[in-house]
Amino acid sequence: SQTIHQWPATLVQPVGSPLSLECTVEGTSNPNLYWYRQAAGRGLQLLFYSVGIGQISSEVPQNLSASRPQDRQFILSSKKLLLSDSGFYLCAWSVLWGPHEQYFGPGTRLTVT
Amino acid sequence: EDKVVQSPLSLVVHEGDTVTLNCSYEVTNFRSLLWYKQEKKAPTFLFMLTSSGIEKKSGRLSSILDKKELFSILNITATQTGDSAVYLCAVPMDSNYQLIWGAGTKLIIKP
Repeated sequence: SQTIHQWPATLVQPVGSPLSLECTVEGTSNPNLYWYRQAAGRGLQLLFYSVGIGQISSEVPQNLSASRPQDRQFILSSKKLLLSDSGFYLCAWSVLWGPHEQYFGPGTRLTVT
Repeated sequence: EDKVVQSPLSLVVHEGDTVTLNCSYEVTNFRSLLWYKQEKKAPTFLFMLTSSGIEKKSGRLSSILDKKELFSILNITATQTGDSAVYLCAVPMDSNYQLIWGAGTKLIIKP
């Protein structure tokens, strides 16, 4: 069966500090991978998605970036965090060719102070 | 413009009641509609409805799709406090792998 891991579960970082969140998927090959952000009490905002190694599509302009160095690894980064970067970050995967349901990792709660 | 609209935005009922959550959509080349449940953590997948499967049921939860009127409903019968959550609806975009998400319905079940 497939499993998706995210870490860390919670993170408190000062403004201006760097960020690196990691997501890995097990039990599947060539998945589509996604990074979402969810502000408190708000809906899901797609940040990045990837259909393959090194292929990243960005949906919103921001100070965040994403990378996919391996087939089942997706990394979200920032060089300098802003207060507005606080939120719940979710990684998700879906089958490359097939049904569209996405499966989510446990998420990372980021608080920028 | 493709969009997904959920209603109501929030709902408070008593344990044992039946609830109906709504999701209407406008999307080019409809392929499927997805329902998720989100408690204080990541969303979990509930159902996918497609053109070839317009009704799904799992225990006390059921969902139907009306392709003519462009909406879906999620029914929960004999609600329990554990059903309290945000219920999200999503539809795939035509041109890529993204999902268009509704804002969600926050359901609160009072004991």
